[in-house]
Amino acid sequence: AQSVAQPEDQVNVAEGNPLTVKCTYSVSGNPYLFWYVQYPNRGLQFLLKYITGDNLVKGSYGFEAEFNKSQTSFHLKKPSALVSDSALYFCAVRYAGKSTFGDGTTLTVKP
Amino acid sequence: DAGITQSPRYKITETGRQVTLMCHQTWSHSYMFWYRQDLGHGLRLIYYSAAADITDKGEVPDGYVVSRSKTENFPLTLESATRSQTSVYFCASSDGGAIETQYFGPGTRLLVL
Repeated sequence: AQSVAQPEDQVNVAEGNPLTVKCTYSVSGNPYLFWYVQYPNRGLQFLLKYITGDNLVKGSYGFEAEFNKSQTSFHLKKPSALVSDSALYFCAVRYAGKSTFGDGTTLTVKP
Repeated sequence: DAGITQSPRYKITETGRQVTLMCHQTWSHSYMFWYRQDLGHGLRLIYYSAAADITDKGEVPDGYVVSRSKTENFPLTLESATRSQTSVYFCASSDGGAIETQYFGPGTRLLVL
């Protein structure tokens, strides 16, 4: 069985500071990993994904994520947070045709 | 307009009634999915479909029925709604394959009284 954990329900950062949203996964084979963002009353929007290759993946809106196989982690990062980055972020692992999502992390960026 | 749409966006119903949530996509994506989103549970997969006339159960299929007679439509039916099915329902589609991104609809908020 595959699983995803987002250990922090809430992350608060000041505008201009770097941000990290954590994600760890468990799967028996090589995973495909995704990050999605959800704004209020909207569906999820794709941010980035890791399939293979370079462990640092760059995505939309200046976000990036680092795949670490030994730590089974796929943390989302951004060098300088914006107030408009405030949203709910989901990590997902896809394996054997099925996607499993984490419970989500609410990111709040304060001016 | 191109994309993935869901209807209705909001629905209030009573326990025991049948409810159908509609999902329509214009990309001709082969895969379609239904998720429910509840506080503390993230997104949970209800059913998915790899192609027309091919459907399979997800994590929480009990109490739901799906069909896929056309590639672009993937309706979700609650045969006899229960209060525990109060949730936000998201439809998604992808172009098939394990590495493909899923594209989500705007969601349907369902309240079962």
